[in-house]
Amino acid sequence: EAGVVQSPRYKIIEKKQPVAFWCNPISGHNTLYWYLQNLGQGPELLIRYENEEAVDDSQLPKDRFSAERLKGVDSTLKIQPAELGDSAVYLCASSPRGTANTGELFFGEGSRLTVL
Amino acid sequence: GNSVTQMEGPVTLSEEAFLTINCTYTATGYPSLFWYVQYPGEGLQLLLKATKADDKGSNKGFEATYRKETTSFHLEKGSVQVSDSAVYFCALSDLTGGFKTIFGAGTRLFVKA
Repeated sequence: EAGVVQSPRYKIIEKKQPVAFWCNPISGHNTLYWYLQNLGQGPELLIRYENEEAVDDSQLPKDRFSAERLKGVDSTLKIQPAELGDSAVYLCASSPRGTANTGELFFGEGSRLTVL
Repeated sequence: GNSVTQMEGPVTLSEEAFLTINCTYTATGYPSLFWYVQYPGEGLQLLLKATKADDKGSNKGFEATYRKETTSFHLEKGSVQVSDSAVYFCALSDLTGGFKTIFGAGTRLFVKA
């Protein structure tokens, strides 16, 4: 079974440029998460989707960050414009819903962003 | 609010040494507790978990016991290998609000041959 797929793995941009990250969760997983991981820190939740609905976006900086999960499968996280402080790894994770949900998160390999 | 605190790294050990990585938590309810591992160049993956007090999670020779009285979930392994070199994250998941997971800062482990 395929795991969570993210792209691109690496992205280098200049500040003020836009950037987008894509995530394809494990098939059948209704819940999708975007996490931010700064260097030397643990992941911090940006947004959580249940199907296509964003049920927790309280930590998403909405002035420059946006996310969507059309059709409740793939998701895109966008930053526009990027700032130097956005340099980090953006992690996507998914989990099943209901009785199959044990609290375990299934992570992709992450997208490492460098803003110059 | 909920939080997780784990010992700072890096931790450097020789092969076959005993490993302990401390983790304590603060939670208002009864969370599930997890250890995730991140090997170089890979994504985070679940190492072990415990869902209630006194439960012991185990996998690949690693163990951790959910201690409610000390609010701890320390990770242990009796004999580490070079292949265990990775970053280890302690985490808690709160059932309320749909399994919101909070992570510690991570502890990097280096194992020397």
